[in-house]
This record gives sequence, C-alpha cells and structure tokens, in this order.
Amino acid sequence: SQTIHQWPATLVQPVGSPLSLECTVEGTSNPNLYWYRQAAGRGLQLLFYSVGIGQISSEVPQNLSASRPQDRQFILSSKKLLLSDSGFYLCAWSVQFQDSFTDEQYFGPGTRLTVT
Amino acid sequence: QKEVEQDPGPLSVPEGAIVSLNCTYSNSAFQYFMWYRQYSRKGPELLMYTYSSGNKEDGRFTAQVDKSSKYISLFIRDSQPSDSATYLCAMSVGSGGSNYKLTFGKGTLLTVNP
Repeated sequence: SQTIHQWPATLVQPVGSPLSLECTVEGTSNPNLYWYRQAAGRGLQLLFYSVGIGQISSEVPQNLSASRPQDRQFILSSKKLLLSDSGFYLCAWSVQFQDSFTDEQYFGPGTRLTVT
Repeated sequence: QKEVEQDPGPLSVPEGAIVSLNCTYSNSAFQYFMWYRQYSRKGPELLMYTYSSGNKEDGRFTAQVDKSSKYISLFIRDSQPSDSATYLCAMSVGSGGSNYKLTFGKGTLLTVNP
C-alpha cells in the first residue's frame, strides 16, 4: 500500500531564517506531487505541483520554492521566512496514468510551521 | 463569486443524528467530486469520490451530486463522536490533460456530542 511521509511534524523558525520541508511517497511510481498551505479560515491553498522529476509548477508567487530531486521526493524551501509563511503545510500525491488521470489526492500528516 | 462555497459551520449535533454537509459550485466544468475528513492537526483523509450525478453510498456515508443545480452533499447516518472533524468538499475538471488541480471548499467543522 501507498504511504506518504512528511517531516518535520512541527517547526518554529525565526523570521528571515531558511526553510526546508520534505515529503516522500512509498508504494507508487511516478506520482503527481503537491504542496498545499492551510491557514486558519482560508482553506487549502495549492502552492506547487509536479508531474515528474524536475517539473515544478508554481501556483502562487511568493518567497517559497519547490524541488523534486527524486521520483517520490518533494521538497518545499525558502531562503528567508516571513511571518505570513506560518501555517499548516500539506504534501499530497495522486496517481498519474498516461492519457488519463485520476483526481483523487492523498495527503500526508502535515507540518505545522510557526514563524516568530 | 467563489468557485466553491461551503458553509463553515460550526455544526453541532447529538450522537445518532443524521448530518447533512453541503457545497455549491459555479464552474459547470467540474466533473469529479470528493469529500475529505480532516481531524484536528491532521492531514485530510479521502472519504468519498464520485463523478456522476446521483447517490453513492459507503457504510454510514452517502455522497450526493446534482450537476444541474451545481450542488453536492455528504450525509452521515447514525453520527458518532468519532465523526467530529472538519469536512472538506473538493472538485475538479478532470480533463485528463494538464489540469491536475482540485478546488476545495473551506470546510465545515462538525461536532457530534455523546
């Protein structure tokens, strides 16, 4: 069966410090991968998605970036955190079929980031 | 007008009640509809998935889609305290091409009281 891992689970970082959040998926190959941020009262905001190694699409202009160095690894980074970067960061995956795709996305446990 | 509207609640019901959770949407291109359950401080968990108008049942849960009215519902029968969570609706165009995105409602917070 497929599992998705995220770490760290919680993080407290000062403003201006760098960030690296990691997500890995097990039990599937060539998944679509997603980074979301969930802020109180604002719902789920899609930040980045990737359909393959090195292929990253950004949804929201901001000081965050994403990378996919391996098929099942997705990393969210920042060089300098802002207070507004605080939130619950969720990684998700979905199955990618050639010529069609399934829409169901499966989420990881999340990382709660507090920028102080 | 937002693409997906969902009443944020909170909704509080007694144990054993039937719960109705709803979302409306404006984009007639949406073809696939999902419901997620999210416990506090956890990631969302996929509950139900459907792509046709009508009802789909899974245990105590029934997902209903009315594409003509652009309205989807999730019914929970015999609600339990363990059902207390935030419920998110999600939908997509499902073009099979470059559109991989889900559009989410903001979620409804449900509390089932013992």
